[in-house]
Amino acid sequence: GAVVSQHPSRVICKSGTSVKIECRSLDFQATTMFWYRQFPKQSLMLMATSNEGSKATYEQGVEKDKFLINHASLTLSTLTVTSAHPEDSSFYICSAWPLFANTGELFFGEGSRLTVL
Amino acid sequence: GENVEQHPSTLSVQEGDSAVIKCTYSDSASNYFPWYKQELGKRPQLIIDIRSNVGEKKDQRIAVTLNKTAKHFSLHITETQPEDSAVYFCAAPPAYKYIFGTGTRLKVLA
Repeated sequence: GAVVSQHPSRVICKSGTSVKIECRSLDFQATTMFWYRQFPKQSLMLMATSNEGSKATYEQGVEKDKFLINHASLTLSTLTVTSAHPEDSSFYICSAWPLFANTGELFFGEGSRLTVL
Repeated sequence: GENVEQHPSTLSVQEGDSAVIKCTYSDSASNYFPWYKQELGKRPQLIIDIRSNVGEKKDQRIAVTLNKTAKHFSLHITETQPEDSAVYFCAAPPAYKYIFGTGTRLKVLA
């Protein structure tokens, strides 16, 4: 149980275009999903906290107009990188916190590697 | 805001030796302390966690100790094996905000 699916796993796009990444909890409901960015050999940097039905809470330094997060249902959150530039190239990974969790365990998606040309 | 510091950033040990990774946190409201393991190219997965009402928890070769007064907790891996090589992350999430430590790259030398 507790499977999180993230798509696409890899995406290459041209500079200036937008890319949408989906994060789905397959067998549980999640009111809270987290989006992270991970540079090579570095930590998981929290970008934003996504709560179902409300606006995402962004971390300091993360542009909310550039990284659009939508959490329209209890099983789906999306991250859209708008007007992508080469410096946005990174590994983006989502995680979900089960609705009725009796633990604090997070379940992660497989991650999405974005390359902006 | 919450700050989680993790040391060391890299750690190399001989197979069979022990490895210890330490994290310190700033938010006294934190009461749950997990450790995640991320193998190369894979997603992080929980390996052990501890709540603030206990000082130590053990699961086979892995243990976590917590000093809530000093605001630090440690991961202990005994009898290390090559498959323990990975990046390990700690976290000390206050309510509904999951920030990770900077990570420790563990290399177990055969």
